[in-house]
Amino acid sequence: EVQLVESGGGLVQPGGSLRLSCEASGFTFSNFAMSWVRQAPGSGLEWVSTFNARGAAFYGDSVRGRCTISRDDSKNTLFLYISGLRDDDTAMYYCVREYPQGVPAMPHCDYWGQGAMVTVSS
Amino acid sequence: IVLTQTPLSSLVTLGQPASISCRSSQSLVHGHGSTYLSWLQQRPGQPPRPLIYMISNRFPGVPDRFSGSGAGTDFTLRISRVEAEDVGIYYCVQTTDFPRSFGQGTKLEIK
Repeated sequence: EVQLVESGGGLVQPGGSLRLSCEASGFTFSNFAMSWVRQAPGSGLEWVSTFNARGAAFYGDSVRGRCTISRDDSKNTLFLYISGLRDDDTAMYYCVREYPQGVPAMPHCDYWGQGAMVTVSS
Repeated sequence: IVLTQTPLSSLVTLGQPASISCRSSQSLVHGHGSTYLSWLQQRPGQPPRPLIYMISNRFPGVPDRFSGSGAGTDFTLRISRVEAEDVGIYYCVQTTDFPRSFGQGTKLEIK
């Protein structure tokens, strides 16, 4: 059974930093591109970042320059480090299995974690 | 790529059909020919649940009253007969190109 479990959320002061983790199980983690998607309270979904299985990272405009996505395939874990946190970074952060690398015509975004809540407030 | 969903809210009688449109600002056909347009359902207090991938393919466990159609830049999610458990917000998402993008969401409520 595929599982994605996020951790590392919490209350952070403006200007602070945070590292989120997503521990994956039930599939060959190293074969998949993985993403972070966030949702501010009462708002829609916003793509944050993707790290593909070939080592390439992509970022949304709202976090580029403040954010680093990484992965440890030996530990089946995806990370998201965010610095310079602002009020508008307050959101639930979801870990998403996005797509199998190098295999076209397969389902995308097929598994989502329960999310980790990040609250930026003084 | 901007995805525009209509309507943003929908009030539907139980047993009646519902339809949501998702229009893309550019073609979602990937270089190798597939179109990576998916639909998600989000019930209150829950993470998004994948419903449809590559325009029209249902994920395992998704009832067959849900269907997807479209091509290029215009896509539609249809619910043939709305049930009470279908209440929630529906999003389209494109993963053809970076940056990824979501539609604004359509809130489905029962009349």
